[in-house]
Amino acid sequence: KQEVTQIPAALSVPEGENLVLNCSFTDSAIYNLQWFRQDPGKGLTSLLLIQSSQREQTSGRLNASLDKSSGRSTLYIAASQPGDSATYLCAVRLLMDSSYKLIFGSGTRLLVRP
Amino acid sequence: AAGVIQSPRHLIKEKRETATLKCYPIPRHDTVYWYQQGPGQDPQFLISFYEKMQSDKGSIPDRFSAQQFSDYHSELNMSSLELGDSALYFCASRIDRGGVSEQFFGPGTRLTVL
Repeated sequence: KQEVTQIPAALSVPEGENLVLNCSFTDSAIYNLQWFRQDPGKGLTSLLLIQSSQREQTSGRLNASLDKSSGRSTLYIAASQPGDSATYLCAVRLLMDSSYKLIFGSGTRLLVRP
Repeated sequence: AAGVIQSPRHLIKEKRETATLKCYPIPRHDTVYWYQQGPGQDPQFLISFYEKMQSDKGSIPDRFSAQQFSDYHSELNMSSLELGDSALYFCASRIDRGGVSEQFFGPGTRLTVL
C-alpha cells in the first residue's frame, strides 16, 4: 500500500530564507509526482509536476526534484516571501487496482514571517 | 485559461438532508475526479469518471452517488448527511498530453453539516 509522508509537518521561517520541503513515498512504481499549494480553506493549485522519468522541474523560485529509486522528492523554495505561506502537498500518481490514483501526503504548513 | 468550476462554493445542510455538488471540468479534459478533504486531513479520493462512465471508486460512502453527464459536467449527490460529511469537496479534471497526465483541481465546495 502506497504511503506518502511529508516532513516537516509545519515550518516557520523568516522572509528571504531558502527552504526545502520533503516528500517520501513507499512504492517507487509511480507514474508521476505533483506538488500542490493550498491556502487555508481554498483549493489546490498545481505547482510542479515531475514525470517518473524526470529528475527535476523548475518554475520561478520553485524547484522540485525526484529520486524515484529512493522514494523521495523535495520542493526547494528560494528567497521565501510571506506570500508563500500556505500548505504544500505532494501527491504521487500510480497504478492501483487496475487504475491510476493520486495519493496525497498530509502536507507541510509553511509560515514565512515578514 | 479556463479552470475547473465547482458550485456551490459553500453549502450548509442539516443532518439527514441531501446535497448536490456540481463540477464543470476544463474543456476537452476526459476524466473527472472527486475528492473529500476533512479538517486537517489530506484529500481522499472518492470516485472518478472517464468519458461519462465511472472509472474508479475510492472511499465513497454508499449514501453518496455521482454521475457525469453528456456535457462532461459531474454531480456528486449526497444523501442522509451526517456531521462527519462536513468537509471540503474537490473536483479535478485530467488530460493526457504527450504522455503527461496532470490533474487540475477546482476551488472546492465547503460543505457544513449541522
